[in-house]
Amino acid sequence: DSGVTQTPKHLITATGQRVTLRCSPRSGDLSVYWYQQSLDQGLQFLIQYYNGEERAKGNILERFSAQQFPDLHSELNLSSLELGDSALYFCASSVSGGAEKLLFGSGTQLSVL
Amino acid sequence: GIQVEQSPPDLILQEGANSTLRCNFSDSVNNLQWFHQNPWGQLINLFYIPSGTKQNGRLSATTVATERYSLLYISSSQTTDSGVYFCAASQGGSEKLVFGKGTKLTVNP
Repeated sequence: DSGVTQTPKHLITATGQRVTLRCSPRSGDLSVYWYQQSLDQGLQFLIQYYNGEERAKGNILERFSAQQFPDLHSELNLSSLELGDSALYFCASSVSGGAEKLLFGSGTQLSVL
Repeated sequence: GIQVEQSPPDLILQEGANSTLRCNFSDSVNNLQWFHQNPWGQLINLFYIPSGTKQNGRLSATTVATERYSLLYISSSQTTDSGVYFCAASQGGSEKLVFGKGTKLTVNP
């Protein structure tokens, strides 16, 4: 698969817990973007990494953190989870740092019970 | 920050009909993209079109940057075109793509 790979596809957890979402960008892409999609907020930009460095930050809560590793895969860590964190979390990648022609992964559906 | 508004919010068509979806943005942009989210949730990039016109099969898009709007045309619609169409934009020097609320398209057989 030459696209963006996200794991797991589904995640069910309880309030107060911590989870890690993983993303492997398309081969050759240096930028990784994380988005959150919920019914009330729509699609919201969380954070971007470019070649291992944080490049831009959006509406990301302090309970959330991310990093991009030397092999360019990225992880989004969500801690002290609340019911309102239930959402579809997307990772996207692009060749450059300018968010051009984003390629999205299939997303991780997070349910906090 | 930039505001992105899409219209109409909902659109129901018969197979074979044509449609135009509109995206208005509040400020000048250097990045404008259209996406289709299919019923299974997958987001597909349709066009990167900060200005000008592009065509891809039955789909075409036009962005008039000076007037702050973009249009997505779907011709001879098919049931597989159903889903939500999103417009997303960002301003110069920003990688923060702001998404509109989307247009939900339903194409009936």
